[in-house]
Amino acid sequence: GQSLEQPSEVTAVEGAIVQINCTYQTSGFYGLSWYQQHDGGAPTFLSYNALDGLEETGRFSSFLSRSDSYGYLLLQELQMKDSASYFCAVSFTGNQFYFGTGTSLTVIP
Amino acid sequence: NAGVTQTPKFRVLKTGQSMTLLCAQDMNHEYMYWYRQDPGMGLRLIHYSVGEGTTAKGEVPDGYNVSRLKKQNFLLGLESAAPSQTSVYFCASRSYTGELFFGEGSRLTVL
Repeated sequence: GQSLEQPSEVTAVEGAIVQINCTYQTSGFYGLSWYQQHDGGAPTFLSYNALDGLEETGRFSSFLSRSDSYGYLLLQELQMKDSASYFCAVSFTGNQFYFGTGTSLTVIP
Repeated sequence: NAGVTQTPKFRVLKTGQSMTLLCAQDMNHEYMYWYRQDPGMGLRLIHYSVGEGTTAKGEVPDGYNVSRLKKQNFLLGLESAAPSQTSVYFCASRSYTGELFFGEGSRLTVL
């Protein structure tokens, strides 16, 4: 089976940096993705890591260590609009995607 | 571009009734997925399809059926709705780079 763990809630100050961790257990691991979801909205894609290392896209970066079954999402220069839920998802054989329970990020002034 | 479109967006059913949720994508993606989202549970995979005419079970398939008769459409059916199926249902399609594109969700209440 698959299991993913991520913190349920994180609070950070506007302008700061926040890291959301994700650990996983799965057979047939293919890659780790991150999605953002605002209340009542559709999840939207942020990043995808299939190989070890850091991927950077603007203010967002994502890291993967396959040997440690661990990844994280790094958000820099936090803005109020970044308040949302963030989900890590593991890709299983490249066909199936299983999501964690999500981290609710609150950005405070 | 429409992307992924789900219909209906809202529906209220009585226990035992049946219904079908329709997902349509215009990006020519091969892979499509149905998820349900409940408070504190994240997104759970119900069924998925790797191409026209194919379907497979995900984490929580019981009580649901799916069909992929056309590449652009993926239908999710509830034959006999139960209150436990009250949820928000999301359809997604996958690009060749591994990115999932989600619809806006279908909010289903079973009384």
